Amino acid sequence: GAVVSQHPSRVICKSGTSVKIECRSLDFQATTMFWYRQFPKQSLMLMATSNEGSKATYEQGVEKDKFLINHASLTLSTLTVTSAHPEDSSFYICSAQPSGFQETQYFGPGTRLLVL
Amino acid sequence: DAKTTQPTSMDCAEGRAANLPCNHSTISGNEYVYWYRQIHSQGPQYIIHGLKNNETNEMASLIITEDRKSSTLILPHATLRDTAVYYCIVRVAWYGGATNKLIFGTGTLLAVQP
Repeated sequence: GAVVSQHPSRVICKSGTSVKIECRSLDFQATTMFWYRQFPKQSLMLMATSNEGSKATYEQGVEKDKFLINHASLTLSTLTVTSAHPEDSSFYICSAQPSGFQETQYFGPGTRLLVL
Repeated sequence: DAKTTQPTSMDCAEGRAANLPCNHSTISGNEYVYWYRQIHSQGPQYIIHGLKNNETNEMASLIITEDRKSSTLILPHATLRDTAVYYCIVRVAWYGGATNKLIFGTGTLLAVQP
């Protein structure tokens, strides 16, 4: 149990285009999901907290207009990188917290984004 | 949330126990200790968590000192597949709808040697 998937696993896009990454909890409902970014040889950096049916909460320094988050259902959150640039190339990881069970988060496998 | 201190890297022989230390001297009474690991190019994997009692599951054991200022994650019989970065995180666990963030430090790179 407690499986989180991400799609796509890998994406290459041209500079200036937008890319959507999906995060799904496959066998549980998640009121809250989190989005992280990880650059090579660095730790995970929390970008935002996504709550079902409400606006996401962004960490300091993360542009909300550039990283659009939608959490329309209890099993799906999406992150859209708008007008992507090469510096947005990174490993994007989501996590999901089971509803009603606040202790543990489960992570997706990550999405590797390369912007050319 | 309290900060944690972990060694940058450790080696362990395959088949032996791996003991990963973590210092969290400023931990508050309502903060849990969580351990996650990240194998290269994968998402983090939950290992174990605890408040003040020692905990054991199929993956590992967590030993928390009586004053809760430090803890040790024990992998009883390390295999090559246990090579990963191990993160020790302290965090309040809220019950009742509030979100709770995991803030990752730099972790310990455990290299299991054949």
